[in-house]
Order: sequence, then C-alpha cells, then structure tokens
Amino acid sequence: AQSVAQPEDQVNVAEGNPLTVKCTYSVSGNPYLFWYVQYPNRGLQFLLKYITGDNLVKGSYGFEAEFNKSQTSFHLKKPSALVSDSALYFCAVRDMGDSWGKLQFGAGTQVVVTP
Amino acid sequence: DARVTQTPRHKVTEMGQEVTMRCQPILGHNTVFWYRQTMMQGLELLAYFRNRAPLDDSGMPKDRFSAEMPDATLATLKIQPSEPRDSAVYFCASGLTVNSNQPQHFGDGTRLSIL
Repeated sequence: AQSVAQPEDQVNVAEGNPLTVKCTYSVSGNPYLFWYVQYPNRGLQFLLKYITGDNLVKGSYGFEAEFNKSQTSFHLKKPSALVSDSALYFCAVRDMGDSWGKLQFGAGTQVVVTP
Repeated sequence: DARVTQTPRHKVTEMGQEVTMRCQPILGHNTVFWYRQTMMQGLELLAYFRNRAPLDDSGMPKDRFSAEMPDATLATLKIQPSEPRDSAVYFCASGLTVNSNQPQHFGDGTRLSIL
C-alpha cells in the first residue's frame, strides 16, 4: 500500500520569503513522486516530478523539490514566494512497480502568501 | 497545449434527478481517472480506465454511480438517482501508462450541487 502525508493544513508566508511545503510518503517499492497545484475553481496542475537521479528536482514557476530517501520525504520549496503562489498544493506518490498509473494523493496544503 | 475537457462546468439539480458528467481526455492518453473533491474528504479516486476498460471502480457507490468510456475520446460519469451528499467537484484526469512516471493531467472539473 502507498500513502502520502502532508502534515500542515496551511502554510503562511510573507511575499519574498522562502516557502516550504512538506510531504512524506510510504511505498512498498521505489517511488515516483509528484507535486500539483490547484488554483480556485481549477483542476490540479502538474508542477514537478521525481523519477530517479538528482535528488533536487526543478519545476514550473520557480518551484523545486528535494527527494530524501532516508527520510522518505519530498518537500516542495520556492526561494522567494509570490502572492500569486497562494493556492492548494498536493503531493502524490506512485509505486514504481504500479503500471496502472494509480496515484495516491495527500490531503493538500493551503499556501497563503501575504503582501 | 493539450487539455482535458470536462462538461458541464457547473450543474445544479434536484435530488433524485440523473446527472451525467462528460470528459474528453487528451488525445493519445489511454488512462482515464475520475476523482471527487470535497472539503471533508479531500480528493477521492472513484474509478479509472485503461484502454477504455474499467480497472478499478471500488471508490464508487455502485448502487447509484456508473462510469463508462463509450470511445477513446469520451468518458462519462453518471449518478442516478442523485442525492445531496453527492454535491462535490468531480474531476477527470488522463494519462499515459506506457511509462508510469508520467503525470496525470486534470480537467477543470464539474461543480455539482444537488438540492
């Protein structure tokens, strides 16, 4: 079984400050890891993914995420947050051995960036 | 940019009525997922299809929900009869399973309100 935990319901940060959204996962095999963002009244949009290789993954809109196998974590980061980054963020995991493509999503973290 | 298209975007109807939601997956994608999002339950996987065949619909209430893919360009989710507790945003996503490290792509959802 696979699972994802996003321990924070909400993250508040001032514009210009660094932003971190936490995610830990559990899979029986090796993971594929994804981050998605959801803006109001929109579907989830893919931000970035980890497959293999370099533990630091860069994605859209200046976001990056760091894969840490020993801590089973995949935290999302942005060096300088913008007000427009305010949205709901989802971490998701898929077991590498799952050829059907089923993703397990976390509960989501609301990010609020204040001017 | 290729997109997943969902119709209608909004639906308000009375309890007991049949509701049909439609999804056009991205051309070439062979996997389609239906999700439901509510404040209380978050994002729930209802059903998914690969090459138009249902793989898993264990997340769906069987007595009132049904999901089909009449052809590769159309997926449908029906509720009959609808109940107020079905009020939610329903998302369709499509993806490739040839290589399961590819992300799912989401539509903008159907916001359903059952009165």
